[in-house]
Amino acid sequence: LAKTTQPISMDSYEGQEVNITCSHNNIATNDYITWYQQFPSQGPRFIIQGYKTKVTNEVASLFIPADRKSSTLSLPRVSLSDTAVYYCLVGDRINDMRFGAGTRLTVKP
Amino acid sequence: DADVTQTPRNRITKTGKRIMLECSQTKGHDRMYWYRQDPGLGLRLIYYSFDVKDINKGEISDGYSVSRQAQAKFSLSLESAIPNQTALYFCATSDWQGEETQYFGPGTRLLVL
Repeated sequence: LAKTTQPISMDSYEGQEVNITCSHNNIATNDYITWYQQFPSQGPRFIIQGYKTKVTNEVASLFIPADRKSSTLSLPRVSLSDTAVYYCLVGDRINDMRFGAGTRLTVKP
Repeated sequence: DADVTQTPRNRITKTGKRIMLECSQTKGHDRMYWYRQDPGLGLRLIYYSFDVKDINKGEISDGYSVSRQAQAKFSLSLESAIPNQTALYFCATSDWQGEETQYFGPGTRLLVL
């Protein structure tokens, strides 16, 4: 199972770009990288997923270097409503993926 | 996600009682999961099921059992509840498409006294 390491918390201000990096040194060839967002007392919500290079959707971008030992979730122009916990998961099957403690992002006005 | 519902949303019970948490989904997914989340921590997988006849243990299955009554229904039981099972419980679904993403229910907050 690939182990992931993320910062425990981050602070930002409205309108800024936020980058959250996840380390996964023992990622396997078939593993992909998935990020989820969780608000208090709600279930996690899928944000973005990728295998290599860069993936972008309407919510975020995911940057994955060639060695795939880390990945960076980029949230453009955050707002107060982006305050949440963000989880990085690595694996090729959900039952093999593990939620760590995540990164608690606080967006300030 | 309204496509995944959980009942009850909140439950208080006493040590030793048997309780059941239910999960229903309208997404048509074959795969369903039960997780628990303790304060300040990430989710931990309790059980998962890839189809109606398939049940698998996750990281922390001791003290729990599950039943997959139909494709759309997956129930979690605590046979004899204990206080350290006090937690937030989430059900999730997924559909294998080469890669998987999960869709989570709103959660059930359980307090065992």
